[in-house]
Amino acid sequence: NAGVTQTPKFRVLKTGQSMTLLCAQDMNHEYMYWYRQDPGMGLRLIHYSVGEGTTAKGEVPDGYNVSRLKKQNFLLGLESAAPSQTSVYFCASSERTRNEQFFGPGTRLTVL
Amino acid sequence: GENVEQHPSTLSVQEGDSAVIKCTYSDSASNYFPWYKQELGKRPQLIIDIRSNVGEKKDQRIAVTLNKTAKHFSLHITETQPEDSAVYFCAANLVNAGNMLTFGGGTRLMVKP
Repeated sequence: NAGVTQTPKFRVLKTGQSMTLLCAQDMNHEYMYWYRQDPGMGLRLIHYSVGEGTTAKGEVPDGYNVSRLKKQNFLLGLESAAPSQTSVYFCASSERTRNEQFFGPGTRLTVL
Repeated sequence: GENVEQHPSTLSVQEGDSAVIKCTYSDSASNYFPWYKQELGKRPQLIIDIRSNVGEKKDQRIAVTLNKTAKHFSLHITETQPEDSAVYFCAANLVNAGNMLTFGGGTRLMVKP
């Protein structure tokens, strides 16, 4: 099992550009999450999903959109990137009946 | 919502000494408290967790204690080794919210040989 994977690993954007980060999990987990991690700070939840076709806002949702069209995939979109969105983005997943979250390797995004 | 505070932000110990990291949470309904270890450039990985019906849990050199009344929990690492050097995060769940976790700000632990 690959677990949780993320693409791309690195990306540099210019202000105003758009992009989509892809998260995939092969553990048949119902729940999936997107976090951002800034230097010296903990993980902050952007959006999460409790099942295919459902999404909900987390702590810092502004400037991001998400979609969960398939159970195994969770996409994070930036419509118009801003320098404040420079961060490392982590995806995670968990079973519905167990709290443990499994993290992907992260995507380092720089917005110039 | 939940608010989790973690102290200290950095901790330096000598190899073989013990290390203690403390967290407080605000929502008395929280019932799941994990600890994650994150090595430089890597993903966070769960090292131990505790549920609110248990006061203490041990796994070899690491242990977690929970005081529900005071709403705080702690990570204890004994006989520290250089490979314990990492950033450690505590978290607390939001009940009935998709297993959502609120994380503390992290503690950078440095174990000096």
